[in-house]
Amino acid sequence: DIQMTQSPSSLSASVGDRVTITCQASQDISNYLNWYQQKPGKAPKLLIYDASNLETGVPSRFSGSGSGTDFTFTISSLQPEDIATYYCQQYDNLTFGGGTKVEIK
Amino acid sequence: QITLKESGPTLVKPTQTLTLTCTFSGFSLSTSGVGVGWIRQPPGKALEWLALIYWDDDKRYSPSLKSRLTITKDTSKNQVVLTMTNMDPVDTATYYCAHKKRFSRSDAFDIWGQGTMVTVSS
Repeated sequence: DIQMTQSPSSLSASVGDRVTITCQASQDISNYLNWYQQKPGKAPKLLIYDASNLETGVPSRFSGSGSGTDFTFTISSLQPEDIATYYCQQYDNLTFGGGTKVEIK
Repeated sequence: QITLKESGPTLVKPTQTLTLTCTFSGFSLSTSGVGVGWIRQPPGKALEWLALIYWDDDKRYSPSLKSRLTITKDTSKNQVVLTMTNMDPVDTATYYCAHKKRFSRSDAFDIWGQGTMVTVSS
């Protein structure tokens, strides 16, 4: 089974900061990776699919990159409404990463 | 507009079988490329994918739970049913159903239900 390692597990940043989250796959998964945002008490929301495609309606400050085993999710300028937990998900077993909790400093 | 809603028992006893129904609207599960999946989340923990059924009745299951899961669809009723056998307190979680994004190579889930909390306790 392909394992996903997501890091960091949590981070604290200031409004306007650039935030980066990484996911590493134990094997090559091409670009078969998605990113979700989950706010407390809410269902997850798809932000990025197939590694780098921005879902319709998602602000352009969110982006994704990478292929093979190493992937990056970026918020170019953190906003207060971005406080949430972010998850990556890979295609092989549709496994989710462990999540990254993003807080405002 | 695509919507999905989960329904089922809120409390099950250990060793019982859980049956959850996802009732959806705004799409047909007979349309090429469409799928519906189930994902769960124990309180305070990460998401865990369980199962996915495609328009052509192909099915995928989480390897770690495959022996306990069955996913089926009723296209005429716009429903997907998940059964999980031999429930245990560790299966206590919020269970979500979600629409698989068409033309996503990585089976992304673009529309989610609100989730239903299931507690396993005697």
